[in-house]
Amino acid sequence: AQSVTQPDIHITVSEGASLELRCNYSYGATPYLFWYVQSPGQGLQLLLKYFSGDTLVQGIKGFEAEFKRSQSSFNLRKPSVHWSDAAEYFCAVGGGETSGSRLTFGEGTQLTVNP
Amino acid sequence: GAGVSQSPSNKVTEKGKDVELRCDPISGHTALYWYRQSLGQGLEFLIYFQGNSAPDKSGLPSDRFSAERTGGSVSTLTIQRTQQEDSAVYLCASSLRTAYGYTFGSGTRLTVV
Repeated sequence: AQSVTQPDIHITVSEGASLELRCNYSYGATPYLFWYVQSPGQGLQLLLKYFSGDTLVQGIKGFEAEFKRSQSSFNLRKPSVHWSDAAEYFCAVGGGETSGSRLTFGEGTQLTVNP
Repeated sequence: GAGVSQSPSNKVTEKGKDVELRCDPISGHTALYWYRQSLGQGLEFLIYFQGNSAPDKSGLPSDRFSAERTGGSVSTLTIQRTQQEDSAVYLCASSLRTAYGYTFGSGTRLTVV
């Protein structure tokens, strides 16, 4: 069975500081991995995705993530956080169409940005 | 359409009543998903439609929950005899291929009183 663990329920950083949100997954084959962001009262927006190729992927809003197969991790990073980045972040794992396509999401990490 | 549209955006219903939640996916997206997000929780998978295949209903929490997708497009999630524990945000998403990720709607916030 596939699963995702986001160890940090809540993270607080100062504006301008660097950010790393952790994500560990369990999946039996090469996974498809995603990070989504959810602002209050909004749906989820896709930040970035990995399914093959370069293990360092770039996304929108200056975010990047690195796939590390040996550590079963897909951590999200940003070098300098902006106040508008305050939101909840979800990591998700799934397979291709032959695997049913369903994504499993982590419990989320709530990010607070201090001025 | 340009995005995934869900209606209503908010629904308050009395315990024991039936409710219908609607999802209009992006045109051409063959896959459609329903998830539930309870307060402070992650996303709980409910049901998945892919083209003309039989839906994956493995996430439906009870037989009070059902969903259909008509003509490979619009989907309706029906909850019968609603209970207070059904209160949550119900999110719909669609995709063309898993590798592209899902596009989510803004959700329907269901409150059972």
